[in-house]
Amino acid sequence: QVQLVESGGGVVQPGWSLRLSCAASGFTFSHYGIQWVRQAPGKGLEWVAVIWYDGNNKYYADSVKGRFTVSRDNSNNMAYLQMNSLRAQDTAVYFCARYNSGHEDFWGQGTLVTVSS
Amino acid sequence: DIQMTQSPSSLSASVGDRVTITCQASQDITNHLNWYQQKSGKAPKLLIYDVSNLETGVPSRFSGSGSGTDFIFTISSLQPEDIATYYCQQYDNLAALTFGGGTKVEIK
Repeated sequence: QVQLVESGGGVVQPGWSLRLSCAASGFTFSHYGIQWVRQAPGKGLEWVAVIWYDGNNKYYADSVKGRFTVSRDNSNNMAYLQMNSLRAQDTAVYFCARYNSGHEDFWGQGTLVTVSS
Repeated sequence: DIQMTQSPSSLSASVGDRVTITCQASQDITNHLNWYQQKSGKAPKLLIYDVSNLETGVPSRFSGSGSGTDFIFTISSLQPEDIATYYCQQYDNLAALTFGGGTKVEIK
């Protein structure tokens, strides 16, 4: 069955970096894009970034552009979100999701990132 | 970026009631509109894609309609397990996806 598992969350100070990982299984990873979506405590969903199936196209929300970088390793069925210059407002649960023809049909359980001094 | 205005932000209804949520896009997004359900502490779940297509395994009491800028999500007969927050999402601009603000559905 399709499974996505995020890891790498934690507590960091403002200005620090963190890399999130998304381990995929149960499908042909190289055929699908991967989305990153976050949810601040008690708030709604916010799209963060997307990487195309082949890694050739990447797009970012304005709120993270220039600070976050999305990447993938199709040989190991992994996607990554490198987060630099973290701010308090980046505190959120981060989800990765499989992107399938315009929608996210499978989601991970999320990993919590807390940015606090 | 395309803004998605979802209403109401919350509602309370009785079991068996018909529930309707609206989502308005700031520009024409044709049929590039999805609906997700998120239960407390869980990841979102895709319910409807491309305005009106029911994801596999989703009960038929859920439905969607609309086109252009105005969209409607309906639960024909609210069930206790439908307690959740519902989000619309546009993907007309693939470089800047956006979600609506969410609608929290509670049982009266």
